[in-house]
Amino acid sequence: NAGVTQTPKFRILKIGQSMTLQCTQDMNHNYMYWYRQDPGMGLKLIYYSVGAGITDKGEVPNGYNVSRSTTEDFPLRLELAAPSQTSVYFCASSFSREIEETQYFGPGTRLLVL
Amino acid sequence: AQKITQTQPGMFVQEKEAVTLDCTYDTSDPSYGLFWYKQPSSGEMIFLIYQGSYDQQNATEGRYSLNFQKARKSANLVISASQLGDSAMYFCAMREYRGSTLGRLYFGRGTQLTVWP
Repeated sequence: NAGVTQTPKFRILKIGQSMTLQCTQDMNHNYMYWYRQDPGMGLKLIYYSVGAGITDKGEVPNGYNVSRSTTEDFPLRLELAAPSQTSVYFCASSFSREIEETQYFGPGTRLLVL
Repeated sequence: AQKITQTQPGMFVQEKEAVTLDCTYDTSDPSYGLFWYKQPSSGEMIFLIYQGSYDQQNATEGRYSLNFQKARKSANLVISASQLGDSAMYFCAMREYRGSTLGRLYFGRGTQLTVWP
């Protein structure tokens, strides 16, 4: 049982380039989330999904796009990378939105935009 | 306003001693949950402990306990008998029952705990 997996682990992008951060979970979770963690800060929500075909914005969605064509996959797309997008990106999932439901996190993707 | 406030950027504790990491929260939702996560230097987020707003007793998980004071809106993490492997960043987080972003967690800025021999 792999849980939540993310690829790549680390990436350097030039300003203006695009890339897709991959996230896959094998726990049949409905809810999936993308967070970013800036140095010395907590995690902020970028996008989330409540099921295949349903996505919505979090608190910091600008510069990103997502899709959810299957239950398992929730890729995050960066268009026209900017230095402000240098961060660590975490994908997370949970079975439901119930208060006590634990969110399981992937190992993170470190992105550096130069 | 910040949903979660962690006022201690860094804490130091000697091995085998107990340490308390502070967390205060802000919500008007009567139903909410509080979580603590550990982030070691390797970067992954590890779930430690959960406390529900209606739980009568403080949560405990092994050496971790959550000192929940609802009236003061605080949810401090207590680590007993600290070990060198406890050195990590610790995040307090909250989930509200209501709200437009379903199921999301609000995180504090974290506290860096260093355990010394």
